[in-house]
Parts: sequence; C-alpha cells; structure tokens
Amino acid sequence: GAGVSQSPRYKVAKRGQDVALRCDPISGHVSLFWYQQALGQGPEFLTYFQNEAQLDKSGLPSDRFFAERPEGSVSTLKIQRTQQEDSAVYLCASSRRQGKDTQYFGPGTRLTVL
Amino acid sequence: GENVEQHPSTLSVQEGDSAVIKCTYSDSASNYFPWYKQELGKGPQLIIDIRSNVGEKKDQRIAVTLNKTAKHFSLHITETQPEDSAVYFCAADTGRRALTFGSGTRLQVQP
Repeated sequence: GAGVSQSPRYKVAKRGQDVALRCDPISGHVSLFWYQQALGQGPEFLTYFQNEAQLDKSGLPSDRFFAERPEGSVSTLKIQRTQQEDSAVYLCASSRRQGKDTQYFGPGTRLTVL
Repeated sequence: GENVEQHPSTLSVQEGDSAVIKCTYSDSASNYFPWYKQELGKGPQLIIDIRSNVGEKKDQRIAVTLNKTAKHFSLHITETQPEDSAVYFCAADTGRRALTFGSGTRLQVQP
C-alpha cells in the first residue's frame, strides 16, 4: 500500500500569512505525529494524535500552531501569522498501533517564510 | 526530557569499509531505539531498530548494538556502498510515544 503522503511538498508564504499543511497517514494507522525539522538538524516533536484525539501537543512552539485530525485519518497542521523562524521542513509520521511502534515518515513539506 | 547525543556529525569512508555511528541517551526509561536514513529531499526512512530486551540486532550489512547500562547504542554498516551516502539519525522513544532524535551524521562513501 501507499506510504505516508504530505501536501504541498513546498510552500512559500509571506510573513503574517496563514498556512495549512496536510498529512495522509498509512491507511488504518492509529497514531499520527507531526515533527519540525530545521536545516541540518534532527526532527523535533510537535504533536501526537491517537485516532482523532490529540493526546500530546507539548512540542507546539506557540499558540500560532494548531493541528487537527477530526476523523482519525487525515491531519492538518495550521500555522497562523507565519514568522521567518517557522521556516523548516514539517514531517508527518504514522504508526499502526497506539503503543511504542515503528513510525513511518512522509516526505515532508518544506515551508519557507519570506 | 530525553536528550540524544550523536557523533560524529560527518563521516567519510572508502567504499567497502565499515562505518560506525554512536549515540547516547539520557532517559533510562527509554526502551526503543530506531535508526533512520534520510536522503536529500526525502523523509526519514527506518533502516533498523532495537528494543531494550535485546543487545544486538543485525540485518544484512547493518547492525545495531545497545548498552542499556551505559545508555548508548551504535549503528554499524559493513561493506559500505556509494548508495549508503545519506544523513543517518538515531532516536529514542520518550514516555509520550514521540521520538527524540539525534542531530544526525552525514555519511559520505567515496567510490
């Protein structure tokens, strides 16, 4: 089956604009994660969903960041009033079970804020 | 929270040689340690993982060792090939199910 997909692959935004990034996890995967990867760094955790429930959002850097997964499948990460420091690759990962399980990553969305 | 240190940050080897990347972690409660390979413009791809009830795991040219007492784990790639060139990340689980990643090792295999 298909892997994790993300769209758009690239997004350029002017400072102050709102953006929405989409993640389609592997079908049937219960857990979904969002990570932020700055240039030359490892991914850093943002938020975690188990089905439609957002169980952990401790990694979201500010209240400008919001994520949802209303039907327990597709997820959207929204960033309001983008700032230059938001420029990064946003990675989505999903795993089959709710416990500690292999995480499969999508290709990421590269966000550039001008 | 968990902290993962990874070194070296860059590694250059000749084709056919072995490569070793080392990581340490801080949280003794961590018990799942995956390794990911990331090529330019792509997402991280799992190459091997190990859980704390095992000290070593091997998959063809790739092996991972874990020392829970010392809180370190290593990736070993034997008979390296040019297509092994990429950035490699180690990671450790946290109590909240997310992964904490190291800062990455850029491996260059010279033909």
